[in-house]
Amino acid sequence: KAGVTQTPRYLIKTRGQQVTLSCSPISGHRSVSWYQQTPGQGLQFLFEYFSETQRNKGNFPGRFSGRQFSNSRSEMNVSTLELGDSALYLCASSLGQGAWGETQYFGPGTRLLVL
Amino acid sequence: AQSVTQPDIHITVSEGASLELRCNYSYGATPYLFWYVQSPGQGLQLLLKYFSGDTLVQGIKGFEAEFKRSQSSFNLRKPSVHWSDAAEYFCAVGAPTLQGAQKLVFGQGTRLTINP
Repeated sequence: KAGVTQTPRYLIKTRGQQVTLSCSPISGHRSVSWYQQTPGQGLQFLFEYFSETQRNKGNFPGRFSGRQFSNSRSEMNVSTLELGDSALYLCASSLGQGAWGETQYFGPGTRLLVL
Repeated sequence: AQSVTQPDIHITVSEGASLELRCNYSYGATPYLFWYVQSPGQGLQLLLKYFSGDTLVQGIKGFEAEFKRSQSSFNLRKPSVHWSDAAEYFCAVGAPTLQGAQKLVFGQGTRLTINP
């Protein structure tokens, strides 16, 4: 079974631009979560989608948004990029049944550099 | 609020030596605990998880972890490390949300270096 895939793997943008990142979950998984990883803040939860609905959101500004499609693929968008948005963005998928301790499987990440 | 502390930012051990990475969590109820490993330029790979039953959990690559409720700890161990174990290790607690979903709250990570 194929793992979580993320595209693109690397991106370079300039301040003020916007960016869209894509995530394809493991087949059969209906929940997709997004995390931001930076050297200073570590791994922080952005949001989680299930059945095309955002179920939970972390403490990030409204410039960070996402969506999920009917095939469970997800995209996240960052508008008006700032230098501090440079990070590794990780996507994780899980079955989404809400079971306690449900395992999240991570993709390789998209590394975004904002100049 | 849930939190995870990994007290050691960087650990260096010799190949073949034993390893213990520390993790302390803060959570009001029975925690759901995970250890992930991240190699340079890669995503996170699940090593093992705990949410009930035996407090000693076996994982992949020869790793194990022991849950100690009295100490709020979930330390990761390996009896003999290999050079390929050099990576960053993250401890995480599964935190429930109002919507029934679960998010992971991660520690800051421990970078492991292996001396030949």
